[in-house]
Amino acid sequence: NAGVMQNPRHLVRRRGQEARLRCSPMKGHSHVYWYRQLPEEGLKFMVYLQKENIIDESGMPKERFSAEFPKEGPSILRIQQVVRGDSAAYFCASSPQTGDNQPQHFGDGTRLSIL
Amino acid sequence: DQQVKQNSPSLSVQEGRISILNCDYTNSMFDYFLWYKKYPAEGPTFLISISSIKDKNEDGRFTVFLNKSAKHLSLHIVPSQPGDSAVYFCAASGVRSNSGYALNFGKGTSLLVTP
Repeated sequence: NAGVMQNPRHLVRRRGQEARLRCSPMKGHSHVYWYRQLPEEGLKFMVYLQKENIIDESGMPKERFSAEFPKEGPSILRIQQVVRGDSAAYFCASSPQTGDNQPQHFGDGTRLSIL
Repeated sequence: DQQVKQNSPSLSVQEGRISILNCDYTNSMFDYFLWYKKYPAEGPTFLISISSIKDKNEDGRFTVFLNKSAKHLSLHIVPSQPGDSAVYFCAASGVRSNSGYALNFGKGTSLLVTP
């Protein structure tokens, strides 16, 4: 499967714990985007990364949330001290390096539930 | 601040007929528009896109129309098939807009194609 891979598919955490969501982009893609979807809502942009660089984090909450895309390995979205409001589906997308107007291709998401 | 709006939460169409899904946007700096299809518990699947230099793009049964002066786009599916039943999301981006490469999504339209 050469698509965007996200794991885990489901993650349950208690309030105050940390959540780590992983995303491996499609082969040949070097741009990664994270989105969050709340129930009955569309997807909301969180952060855009390239290898070892955060390009745009304007959609990410200033506290408790961080993202990275290291030189080797998957992109990680990290949520510290989770709260009930963090319960959502988190989607990762990737696109090729070249130019504008390239569609983003999505993984199947991680469904985060906070107890 | 919802910059992309899909005002019809749901649509029901008979198999073989045309499905028309509508989308409006408010940001005149958007220059790239996409439609995604989403099944429950899966990620959005890219369907078709259009850049602002065109007013129509066709791919098989799917055609997207863009009316820049009205800030309106639509997705036509003809003929509709039961397998087309899913939630359809409209998305927009613009490198020169305030959101850059990030996709701005509508809330989706749930399409049901009945036999």
